[in-house]
Parts: sequence; structure tokens; C-alpha cells
Amino acid sequence: AQSVTQLDSHVSVSEGTPVLLRCNYSSSYSPSLFWYVQHPNKGLQLLLKYTSAATLVKGINGFEAEFKKSETSFHLTKPSAHMSDAAEYFCVVSKRRTYKYIFGTGTRLKVLA
Amino acid sequence: DAGITQSPRHKVTETGTPVTLRCHQTENHRYMYWYRQDPGHGLRLIHYSYGVKDTDKGEVSDGYSVSRSKTEDFLLTLESATSSQTSVYFCATYESDTGAGGSYEQYFGPGTRLTVT
Repeated sequence: AQSVTQLDSHVSVSEGTPVLLRCNYSSSYSPSLFWYVQHPNKGLQLLLKYTSAATLVKGINGFEAEFKKSETSFHLTKPSAHMSDAAEYFCVVSKRRTYKYIFGTGTRLKVLA
Repeated sequence: DAGITQSPRHKVTETGTPVTLRCHQTENHRYMYWYRQDPGHGLRLIHYSYGVKDTDKGEVSDGYSVSRSKTEDFLLTLESATSSQTSVYFCATYESDTGAGGSYEQYFGPGTRLTVT
């Protein structure tokens, strides 16, 4: 069975410092993995996706994630946090054939001035 | 962005009443999904459809039914709403791209906030 685990429910960083949001996955085959962001009272926006091409994936707004099969991880990073990055972030794995998404429980990122 | 709309966007209803939420897409995508979002749970799949009149249950389907009579519309019905169904509901679509570099991503609607009193 597939699953994702977001290791931190809340992360606080100072503006201008690096961001690391951690995600581990479980899958019996090579997965498709995604990171989504949700700003308060807004919908979901795709940040980036991994679909078995390059293991280092670059997304929007300076975010990137690295697929590490040996560690079953897909951590999201950004070199320098901005106030506008404050939001909730979801790691997602997609199931084959049905393409159903399995969401992590989310990480709320707080950016301190 | 994929043309996905949800209606209503907000609804307050009483316990025991039936409620239907509508998802409409203009992309002609084959797959459609209903999720609910609750604090601490992320989004969880309620039901999904893999074609007209073809639907299946997700992980939290109890108390919900769906119908898809046209490609563009996917309806979610709460036959008798309960307070535990107070949530934000998201619809999503997907079209498998068999060509090289397929997107693999689902496209989400704006959500419906449902409150059951």
C-alpha cells in the first residue's frame, strides 16, 4: 500500500533563512510524487512534481525537492523564506491506474519577520 | 488552469437534510474525484469516477453517494447530513496523458465549505 508521512506538522523559520519540509513515502513501485501549497482560505496550488525523470525537481517560487529512493524521501526546500511562503504544504503520492492521490497530513509553515 | 467550478461555494444546512454539491469541468477529463479536507487529516478521497456512470469508493465514502451522468459533471450527495460532515470539499480532475512528458497531475476546484448545524 502507498502512503506518505509528513514528519512535521508545524515549521517556523525566520524570513531569509532556508526552508526544509520533510516527506517520506511508501510505495511498492516507482511513485509519482507532488508538493502542493494552500494559502489560508484558498485552494490548492501545485508547487512541483516528480514523475521518474530527474530526481531533483524545481518548482515555482524558488522551491525544489529531491527524490531519494534509498531514503524513500521527497523533502521540499527553499534557500530563503519569504513572508508570502507562510501556508500549509501537502506532500502527495499518486496511485497507478486510478491516479488517486494520497495526501500527507500537511505541514504548516510560519515565517517570522 | 483547468476549468473546474464547484457549486455552491458555501452552504450551511441542518442535520438530517440532504445536500448535493456539484463539480463542473470544461476540460473533458476522464477522471474526477471528490475529497474532503479536515484539520490534521490533509485531504481524503471520498469517491472517484473513471468515466460516465463509472464510480468507485474512496477511503471515507460512508454517508456519501456520487453520480456522473455526463463527462463534465460529478455530483456528491449527502443523503442525510451530519455534523461530522462539516468540512471543505474539493473536486479534482485528471486526464491520463499517454504521450511523453504526461502531466500526471490532478487539477483542483476552488472548494465548497459545508457547515452542518
